[in-house]
Parts: sequence; C-alpha cells; structure tokens
Amino acid sequence: EIVLTQSPGTLSLSPGERATLSCRASQSVSSSYLAWYQQKPGQAPRLLIYGASSRATGIPDRFSGSGSGTDFTLTISRLEPEDFAVYYCQQYGSSPPPITFGQGTRLEIK
Amino acid sequence: EVQLVESGGGLVQPGGSLRLSCAASGFTFSSYWMHWVRQAPGKGLVWVSRINSDGSSTSYADSVKGRFTISRDNAKNTLYLQMNSLRAEDTAVYYCARDADSPVYGIYFDLWGRGTLVTVSS
Repeated sequence: EIVLTQSPGTLSLSPGERATLSCRASQSVSSSYLAWYQQKPGQAPRLLIYGASSRATGIPDRFSGSGSGTDFTLTISRLEPEDFAVYYCQQYGSSPPPITFGQGTRLEIK
Repeated sequence: EVQLVESGGGLVQPGGSLRLSCAASGFTFSSYWMHWVRQAPGKGLVWVSRINSDGSSTSYADSVKGRFTISRDNAKNTLYLQMNSLRAEDTAVYYCARDADSPVYGIYFDLWGRGTLVTVSS
C-alpha cells in the first residue's frame, strides 16, 4: 500500500498570503496519477488538480500543483477567504488498495 | 445539471445491513466507472469500492471485502452499495464519486455526491 503523508497537519495563514501544502508518498508515484481535492465543512470534496499539475475545469489559476516521484506540492499563490478548507492528495497505483488519500491538511485563517 | 445524489443512509445495529443508492443525472452514466469513498466523522477520505462501466468488474478495499457489494443499474442511472455485517468502524459519510475516465492520468474523481451518513450503533 502506498501511504501518502501530508504536511503540515494545519496551516494558519492570512488572506493574500501564499500557501504551500506537501504530500509525500511512501513509494514512488507516477506523477500522472496524483490528484488534489478541496473539502469545506459539510460539503463533498472538489477536484482541484489531476496529473500532479493540471487544473480541473473551473479552478482558478492561483491553484497550482507540482512534484514527482515521492514529493508533491499544492500551492495557492494568494489566499482568498473561500480557500480556507481541508486539502487532500490522492494517488492511484497498481498495489492494493489501488487508491489512497493523504490524511489532509487543514488550512485555517490566522 | 450534472450531479450525483446519494440516499439510503441511516442508523443500523452492528451486524445489520443497509443498501446505499447513488442517482446520477446530467451525464451518460453508463460510460463511467464509479466509486464509493467514505469519511468517518472528523477523519479523512478512504476509498471503498469501484465498479467498471458495464458492471462486469469490481474491486474492494480489504476492510470491506466479503461484506460490501457494489453494483449498478445503467438503465436506472443508479449505483448501489450493499453493506452487510456492519461494524461500528463502518460509521461514516459515504460518497459516490465519478471516475474521470482518463487513460493518461489514472483514477481520480471529477464529480462527487453530497454523501449519505451511515451510523452503526446499538
């Protein structure tokens, strides 16, 4: 099983600041198979990034993804009030279970 | 409108059964693989099961294998999850999610329902 570890667990920032969220895999992940989601309280997750760096439809360009191998990053260039939420990374691989998520990073207003 | 709507959650005793449904609309349901993902209260997301587009192939997380069965009715645009021998640790919001169907980017989820809460307790 590929374990995804996200850091930090909680990130406290102010609107307008830059957020950098990390996702580290226990084994190499094909960069094509890494996605990021945003989840707000009481809501379903929303796809932000797929293929490590491709933005999903309708996602603002302040969101960007990067990385390869075992280290991946989600960057939010200038935080808007609506960006404060929990963020999850997710990978797809051949070893069972084929799909795993990180434990999440909570982005909170400072 | 493109959407997924889950139903069927509720309170069930340990050892009991429940069937969840996920009604799809606004897209060609029969063309997509579909998944169930769950989230225990205050916890992260955990993949549960997936089914291919015509229902001929399924897979499960080890934690539910032999107890849960995923199925679909493409004529009714509906996905199901039959849950038997329920345990307290199955308590979670259950989301159905659409596989983005990308041959290049593997499996990821481009459409989610709002979820249905399953509580297993005596």
